[in-house]
Amino acid sequence: QKEVEQDPGPLSVPEGAIVSLNCTYSNSAFQYFMWYRQYSRKGPELLMYTYSSGNKEDGRFTAQVDKSSKYISLFIRDSQPSDSATYLCAMRVPYNNNDMRFGAGTRLTVKP
Amino acid sequence: NAGVTQTPKFQVLKTGQSMTLQCAQDMNHNSMYWYRQDPGMGLRLIYYSASEGTTDKGEVPNGYNVSRLNKREFSLRLESAAPSQTSVYFCASSEVLIDSADQPQHFGDGTRLSIL
Repeated sequence: QKEVEQDPGPLSVPEGAIVSLNCTYSNSAFQYFMWYRQYSRKGPELLMYTYSSGNKEDGRFTAQVDKSSKYISLFIRDSQPSDSATYLCAMRVPYNNNDMRFGAGTRLTVKP
Repeated sequence: NAGVTQTPKFQVLKTGQSMTLQCAQDMNHNSMYWYRQDPGMGLRLIYYSASEGTTDKGEVPNGYNVSRLNKREFSLRLESAAPSQTSVYFCASSEVLIDSADQPQHFGDGTRLSIL
């Protein structure tokens, strides 16, 4: 069983829809949680960063962490065609860069 | 504003050949990383360098070697390429080893490597 599970999709939504992306994990030591966006043929870029449980909002993006369920989510409001990309979740054990784990990524397409 | 530059962008090798992937960053970052990305597997850390002069193994180091040539450059070497090493390789850098919201890892655009 992988430490981080992420539905690969693909996910296709109309412009303006609310998108929900999710990951589950098995290692309870993870405390830093991240979402990366990766456009085709490009490297990932950090989108959201949260520490421990709770919600964090940045513009149209909201990251949610539920440590009790080992479940993290990224919500995108008012989705735009420019949001079409692959979204990777990532998580890390504190103070140990070797223990960073990425999900396989969910491919999202937002249709005009 | 180049950021992280990887060369080459594409390469095809035969089994048993050797190759060095090059990475350079112009952001004066202390830490650098090599990842591989495979379908259905996500990014996996191969090696990292916390600072100039140090390197450490990541999750999947077997079959690879690295050199932190100076603060700017971090190379990844495949001594005897195998088909299982067919992947997209990403180099990244960050100010400090533990990236954060204000000091994230910056990734290059990848090297697509096929081994026949």
